[in-house]
Amino acid sequence: DTGVSQDPRHKITKRGQNVTFRCDPISEHNRLYWYRQTLGQGPEFLTYFQNEAQLEKSRLLSDRFSAERPKGSFSTLEIQRTEQGDSAMYLCASSLVLPSPNTGELFFGEGSRLTVL
Amino acid sequence: DQQVKQNSPSLSVQEGRISILNCDYTNSMFDYFLWYKKYPAEGPTFLISISSIKDKNEDGRFTVFLNKSAKHLSLHIVPSQPGDSAVYFCAASFSGGYNKLIFGAGTRLAVHP
Repeated sequence: DTGVSQDPRHKITKRGQNVTFRCDPISEHNRLYWYRQTLGQGPEFLTYFQNEAQLEKSRLLSDRFSAERPKGSFSTLEIQRTEQGDSAMYLCASSLVLPSPNTGELFFGEGSRLTVL
Repeated sequence: DQQVKQNSPSLSVQEGRISILNCDYTNSMFDYFLWYKKYPAEGPTFLISISSIKDKNEDGRFTVFLNKSAKHLSLHIVPSQPGDSAVYFCAASFSGGYNKLIFGAGTRLAVHP
């Protein structure tokens, strides 16, 4: 399977614990994104990498959140001292830098669902 | 500040009829618009897109219409099939915006026999 893969698919944790999610993008894609989706809402942008450089972080990404893409391939999203409000689906997506025309399409993984008790 | 809005949370359509999903946006700088479909327990999958220089794009049963003056786009599905039942998200991006997408809240489409 050459799609975007995310691990774990579901994580249940207690408030105050740290959690880490991993994303493996499509191999030739150099752009990687993290989104968060809560019930009844669309995906909200969290952060974006081009290769290993983190080029933008949303205001939604508090100091407790950190994302890395050390070698420009897989990425991790860590949430420290989790709170109940962090419960959501965390989606990873990847894309290529395409010459014009660019459809803007992102390829999403199946997501990692976080439940904070 | 919701820049992309889908005001209908749900839509129910009979199989074989047309489904029309609507989306409004507020930022006139958006120049790409996309529709994604999402089944339960899966990530969103790309359906169709349109550049702001066009007013219509068609792909099989799916057609997207863009009305820039009204800042409105719609997705038409003809004919609707039960397998089309899913949540549909409208999304928008900026040229040179490294594909960062801003999503609407989604519309749940139910196609019944």
